[in-house]
Formats: sequence, C-alpha cells, structure tokens
Amino acid sequence: EIVLTQSPTTMAASPGEKVTLTCRASSSVSYMHWYQQRSGTSPKLWIYETSKLASGVPNRFSGSGSGTSYSLTINSMETEDAATYYCQQGSSYPLTFGSGTKLEIK
Amino acid sequence: EVQLVESGGGLVQPGRSLKLSCAASGFTFSNYYMAWVRQAPKKGLEWVATISTSGSRTYYPDSVKGRFTISRDNAKSSLYLQMNSLKSEDTATYYCARRTGRSGWYFDFWGPGTMVTVSS
Repeated sequence: EIVLTQSPTTMAASPGEKVTLTCRASSSVSYMHWYQQRSGTSPKLWIYETSKLASGVPNRFSGSGSGTSYSLTINSMETEDAATYYCQQGSSYPLTFGSGTKLEIK
Repeated sequence: EVQLVESGGGLVQPGRSLKLSCAASGFTFSNYYMAWVRQAPKKGLEWVATISTSGSRTYYPDSVKGRFTISRDNAKSSLYLQMNSLKSEDTATYYCARRTGRSGWYFDFWGPGTMVTVSS
C-alpha cells in the first residue's frame, strides 16, 4: 500500500500570502491528485494529474511534483481558499488518500 | 450537469447489513468506472470500492473485502454498495464518486454523501 503523508497538518495564512502544501508518497507514483473539502460539504476535485486545474479552479492554484514528492501552491491566499486539502494517488490499488491539510485564514 | 445522489444510510446495529444506492444522471453512466469513498466523523477520506463499466471487475481495500459488495445497474444508471457484518468502525459518510483518468485514476464528481452509523 502506498502511504501518502501530507504536511503541514494545519496551517493559517494571511490574505495575499503564498501557501505551499506538500504530499509525500511512500513509493513512486505517476501522478498526484488533490481535492478541496470545505466544512460540511463533499470533496471536490481540485488538481488532477499533478498539475491540471479542475474546472472552475482559480489560476492562483498550481500543482507540481514527481516520483514521491508533490505540492499544491496558492500564489496569493484568499478567504475562500480556507478548506481541507487532500492528496490522492491512483497509480495502484488500494487507492489511497493523504490525511489532509487544514488551511485556515489568518 | 453531472449529478450523483446517494441514499440508504441510517442507524444499524453491529453485525447487521445495509445497502446504499447512488442515482447518477447527466452523463453516460455505462462508460465510467464508479466508486465509493467514505469519511468517518472528523477524519480523512478512505476509498472503499471500485467497479468497472460492465460490473465484471471489482476492487476493495482489505478493510472491507469480504464484507462489502459493489454493484451497478447500467440500465438504471445506479450504483450500489451492499454492506454486511457491519462494525462500529464502518460509521462514516459514504460518497458515491465517478472515477476517471487513464494511468492515474481519480474522482472527478462526488455526491453529497449518505451517513451510516453503526451502533447498538
């Protein structure tokens, strides 16, 4: 099983601040996918195949990485970006998710 | 517009069974693999099951293998999850999700979820 470790677990950022969330895999994966989940709602696909933005995702978001190290970056934090972000690998079964990074607005 | 709507959740005693349903619309259901993903209260996401387009292939993690069965009815655009021998650790919100991708599978649409509580 490929274990995904996200860091930090929780963080707070000020409006306009640059934010980077990381996801490390226990084995190499082909791609990493990211989901945003706001409180009380279902997850939404946010970034797929490492760097492609899902429909409707603002271009202040970006994704990068390869092998075992991936990241999601917000170029300039906005209030609406406060949420929990999960990474997910789909390279092999069992499909696994990271434990999430809770991003709060400062 | 793609829509996935789960139903069938509720309170069930340990050791009993429950069957979840997911009604899909807005896309050609038979063209997509489908999946169930769950989230225990205040916890992260856990993949539960995936089924191929025809239903001939199914995949499960060890945590539910032998207890849960995923199935589909393409004529009704519906997905199901039969859960047997339920345990307290199965308490979670269960999401129906559409799986896509070629070499790196991911879930592009999710339903609002249905809550399952396993308790005596």
